[in-house]
Amino acid sequence: QVQLQQSGPGLVKPSQTLSLTCFISGDTVSSNNAAWYWIRQSPSRGLEWLGRTYYASKWYNDYAASVKSRITINADTSKNHFSLQLSSVAPEDTAVYYCARKEAMGRGMSAFDFWGQGTMVSVSS
Amino acid sequence: DIQMTQSPSSLSASVGDRVTITCRASQSISYFLNWYRQKPGNAPKLLIYAASSLQSGVPSRFSGSGSGTDFTLTISSLQPEDFATYYCQQSYDTPRVNFGQGTRLELK
Repeated sequence: QVQLQQSGPGLVKPSQTLSLTCFISGDTVSSNNAAWYWIRQSPSRGLEWLGRTYYASKWYNDYAASVKSRITINADTSKNHFSLQLSSVAPEDTAVYYCARKEAMGRGMSAFDFWGQGTMVSVSS
Repeated sequence: DIQMTQSPSSLSASVGDRVTITCRASQSISYFLNWYRQKPGNAPKLLIYAASSLQSGVPSRFSGSGSGTDFTLTISSLQPEDFATYYCQQSYDTPRVNFGQGTRLELK
């Protein structure tokens, strides 16, 4: 059974960097059938994808336009985890942050089949 | 970006009722559509993928249909654990995997 366990602080000051880590068990971050996403949820924005990392002979990253200038996602194969860094945060970055696995389901389909437990991150001084 | 619009935004029903939730995409997404249920304080849980395929372990009272721009999620007989919020999500325009705004299903 795949499990995703998130860690990181729940409070970040404005202008600082938000850092979260997602530890994977039951799968590997370098899996050929999965991409690893960060998604956040807030009342104002709903469920919003932030970015992803995946391995296909080499590492690839994609980021949402809304955060592209501020986000970095890295994978660590030795520790089997991936991380999120979001710089220059502001109060509007306050949200529940999730990591999730997007698995290939066949016929070109894919879906988020496993999620982390979520981390409520507040941006406040 | 492909916009996903769900209707209704909220719905009241009773245990045992049959309910249907609709999701519309702003352009054709073939059958690249997934459905999730989210209970308060929890992450979303995958119910249906590829518009109509039941995820392993999900009860058969859940079913999905549609293709192109219009999709439905049907719960044939509501159980107490089904009172939650439901989201559709398109995977046609990966990595831009937009979600609908959610449909809150409440106990009447």
